[in-house]
Amino acid sequence: GAGVSQSPRYKVAKRGQDVALRCDPISGHVSLFWYQQALGQGPEFLTYFQNEAQLDKSGLPSDRFFAERPEGSVSTLKIQRTQQEDSAVYLCASSLVGAKVQETQYFGPGTRLLVL
Amino acid sequence: EDQVTQSPEALRLQEGESSSLNCSYTVSGLRGLFWYRQDPGKGPEFLFTLYSAGEEKEKERLKATLTKKESFLHITAPKPEDSATYLCAVQGAYNNNDMRFGAGTRLTVKP
Repeated sequence: GAGVSQSPRYKVAKRGQDVALRCDPISGHVSLFWYQQALGQGPEFLTYFQNEAQLDKSGLPSDRFFAERPEGSVSTLKIQRTQQEDSAVYLCASSLVGAKVQETQYFGPGTRLLVL
Repeated sequence: EDQVTQSPEALRLQEGESSSLNCSYTVSGLRGLFWYRQDPGKGPEFLFTLYSAGEEKEKERLKATLTKKESFLHITAPKPEDSATYLCAVQGAYNNNDMRFGAGTRLTVKP
C-alpha cells in the first residue's frame, strides 16, 4: 500500500522567502507528526495533529513556523521569512491511532530544505 | 527530560563480523522504545518496538533487546546491504506522542 508521501522532495529558498511543505499521510491514519532533522542528527519533534486538531506544537522553533491539517488528512508545514538555520530535512510521520497510545510512526521520505 | 544516547557514532564492520549497537535512555515512564533504519536521502524505516525490560524481537539478521536503562541492536553476520544509520527513539508516558531520538549509529559493512 501507499506510504507517507511528501512534496517537494527538495526546496531551495532565498533567505526571507516563505516556503510550504506538504505531507500526505497513510490513508486512515489519525495522527500526523512533523520532525526536523539536521545533518548527522536524529529527528526532532516539531508538532503533532490528531485528525484536524493540533494537539502539540511545543517543538516549533519560532513563530515563523506554522502547521495545519484542515481536513484531517493532508498537512502543510509553512515557514515564513526563512533563515539559514532553517536548512534541514523536514520529515512527516503518521500513525494509525493517537491519544497516548504506543503506536508505531511511519515516516515519509522528507523534504530537504536549503536556505541560501 | 527524556534523553537518548547512541553509541558508537560510527561502526565499520567486515561482512560476516557480528556486533552490537547501544542505545542508552532516560525517560519518565517508558511507553515504547523504537528502532529505525535510515538510508541516505530517505526517511526512517521502522524496524522494532520494545515495550518492557526483558523483551526481545528479531528480524532477519537483527535482534533488539531491552533493559531498564538501555537497548541493544545485535547484528549477526551482517551484509553490505545492512549499511545504514540506525536510530533509536523513546516515547515517554508524559509527552504527547512524539518520540525522542538519539543521533544514530552510522553502520558500514564492507564486503
